[in-house]
Amino acid sequence: NAGVTQTPKFRILKIGQSMTLQCAQDMNHNYMYWYRQDPGMGLKLIYYSVGAGITDKGEVPNGYNVSRSTTEDFPLRLELAAPSQTSVYFCAVGAGPDTQYFGPGTRLTVL
Amino acid sequence: KQEVTQIPAALSVPEGENLVLNCSFTDSAIYNLQWFRQDPGKGLTSLLLIQSSQREQTSGRLNASLDKSSGRSTLYIAASQPGDSATYLCAAEYGNKLVFGAGTILRVKS
Repeated sequence: NAGVTQTPKFRILKIGQSMTLQCAQDMNHNYMYWYRQDPGMGLKLIYYSVGAGITDKGEVPNGYNVSRSTTEDFPLRLELAAPSQTSVYFCAVGAGPDTQYFGPGTRLTVL
Repeated sequence: KQEVTQIPAALSVPEGENLVLNCSFTDSAIYNLQWFRQDPGKGLTSLLLIQSSQREQTSGRLNASLDKSSGRSTLYIAASQPGDSATYLCAAEYGNKLVFGAGTILRVKS
C-alpha cells in the first residue's frame, strides 16, 4: 500500500523542454491536487481534480496542464519549461480538501 | 484575495520551552483551519484540524486555537523537544481548496 507516489524525485530541464510529473495513488480517493513550493514560501495550488474527468485551475495554473482519466493518476504537464518553474512540486490526495495526504515531492530545476 | 500569513518566519528555542506560532487569514469565511508539519525534503503531514465551528483542538503536546472573527489561529507547543524541529504551516480551507501560509521554521536546541 504505497499511498501517494510521485515520479521522478529530481529532474533538471533545459529552457523550452517539456516533461510530465507523475502522481499516482492507491487510496481510492477522489480529490487530487498539484502544488508548487518555492524556497521560503508556502504551497501554491496549480490544479486540482474532484474526480476522474474533472479538473479545475488553482492559483498559479499558467504554464501547466493536467488530465484525470482515472481515479488513480493525475499527471502534471509542463509544455515549455521556464526558469520560473524551478520549484518543488507536491501532489496531494484526499477524500476531501480537509484530508489531504501529500506525496514526497518532485524537485525540478529549469536551466 | 484570500491570503494566509504566519509569524514568526523562524524561531529558535531551547529544549523544554513552551512556544506559540501564529497564523492569520484575510477572509474569515473558512471551512476549516489546519496545521501541518514539514520535515526537510519531505511532504506535509497534518497535525491538527479545527473546524470553523470549533475554538480549539488538542493532540498530545499540541494545542491549536481558532478565532474566525479576528482571522487568527495559534499553535501552542508545550515542553518543546529537538524532534519538534521542522517547518510548521497553517492552511485555511475555502471550498475545495487550501490556502497555505509560508510557514514558521522551528529549531529546538538540546
